[in-house]
Amino acid sequence: GQSLEQPSEVTAVEGAIVQINCTYQTSGFYGLSWYQQHDGGAPTFLSYNGLDGLEETGRFSSFLSRSDSYGYLLLQELQMKDSASYFCAVSTSSGGSYIPTFGRGTSLIVHP
Amino acid sequence: ETGVTQSPTHLIKTRGQQVTLRCSSQSGHNTVSWYQQALGQGPQFIFQYYREEENGRGNFPPRFSGLQFPNYSSELNVNALELDDSALYLCASRTVQGDNEQFFGPGTRLTVL
Repeated sequence: GQSLEQPSEVTAVEGAIVQINCTYQTSGFYGLSWYQQHDGGAPTFLSYNGLDGLEETGRFSSFLSRSDSYGYLLLQELQMKDSASYFCAVSTSSGGSYIPTFGRGTSLIVHP
Repeated sequence: ETGVTQSPTHLIKTRGQQVTLRCSSQSGHNTVSWYQQALGQGPQFIFQYYREEENGRGNFPPRFSGLQFPNYSSELNVNALELDDSALYLCASRTVQGDNEQFFGPGTRLTVL
């Protein structure tokens, strides 16, 4: 089966940079995605890495190393509104289908 | 462009009952997935539909079933409800099979008493 590990909680101050790590064990790995979810809200897509390297989207960047089964989400210039849960999710390929598995989530708390 | 919508917003059922949850995909999306999210956990993949056929399933028993209709809307049916089925049920749609960005609906909060 698949397993993902990410920290349960990370705290930081406004304006800082924070990195949320994700390690995974899976077969048929296809790619790694990141989602943000505010309390009471729906998950929203942040980024996707299918190949090794860094993907940058505004203040958010995501990195993947397939050989290390490891990725991270980097949030820069933190704002109070970034306080939320962040999920990494691996997509695995099985018989032409892409099956997603989500981690348990990292609660990011941004302090003033 | 209309986003993903789900109904109802909240639902209370008792053990043993059956429930049907509904989802309307975002316009132009032909793939829909359903997830169960328990409090404090990540979404757990239930199954996925593409062109009205189930083409991926997570570790959920057969009493969890679904349908996708020609207009790409979808239903999740759960029979013989158990207390542990209490959760937020999310559907997510995307443009084509294999596309990576999923758009989630607001979810249905199911409580089983």
